[in-house]
Amino acid sequence: NAGVMQNPRHLVRRRGQEARLRCSPMKGHSHVYWYRQLPEEGLKFMVYLQKENIIDESGMPKERFSAEFPKEGPSILRIQQVVRGDSAAYFCASSPDRGREQYFGPGTRLTVT
Amino acid sequence: ILNVEQSPQSLHVQEGDSTNFTCSFPSSNFYALHWYRWETAKSPEALFVMTLNGDEKKKGRISATLNTKEGYSYLYIKGSQPEDSATYLCALRSNDYKLSFGAGTTVTVRA
Repeated sequence: NAGVMQNPRHLVRRRGQEARLRCSPMKGHSHVYWYRQLPEEGLKFMVYLQKENIIDESGMPKERFSAEFPKEGPSILRIQQVVRGDSAAYFCASSPDRGREQYFGPGTRLTVT
Repeated sequence: ILNVEQSPQSLHVQEGDSTNFTCSFPSSNFYALHWYRWETAKSPEALFVMTLNGDEKKKGRISATLNTKEGYSYLYIKGSQPEDSATYLCALRSNDYKLSFGAGTTVTVRA
């Protein structure tokens, strides 16, 4: 059973470009969580999605950031018009149900130049 | 979002020595405390989940305790080995899904 997959592992974008980060949950998991780790800080919750639904996006910046988890395919975290402050490691986790253990992916390191 | 502090930020241990480090939190108003082990370029790996004051969990040479009354959890590594080198993350679960992480303690075991 493959673990949580994230791609790309490293992403470099220039200021103003768009960044798309993908997360494929573990097989049988329909709940996905995105976390962000800024330099020198702990992981911070961004958004919780269940298939086709956003359950909680309280940790996500109101502008430029969006997330989706379609019926088919991976979950996508999209950052429009990236700025230097968006440089961080973005982690995805999945669980088979709400309240169950979250399994983490290896993260995507976004660098904005 | 719950406030989670981990100390020290990093530590070096001689192979064979035992060590411990702390996760502290100002409030015991949480569902569970999680410990993760995270090696560079890999996924954070779940070690323990603890919910009750006085909980003790053990996995091989690694163990953890939880004291909700005084607001801390300790992680112990007995007889450290080079493969124990990693960053150890503590997280509090504030409801049934939202995790708040500390910045981690990075352990380096010297052979």
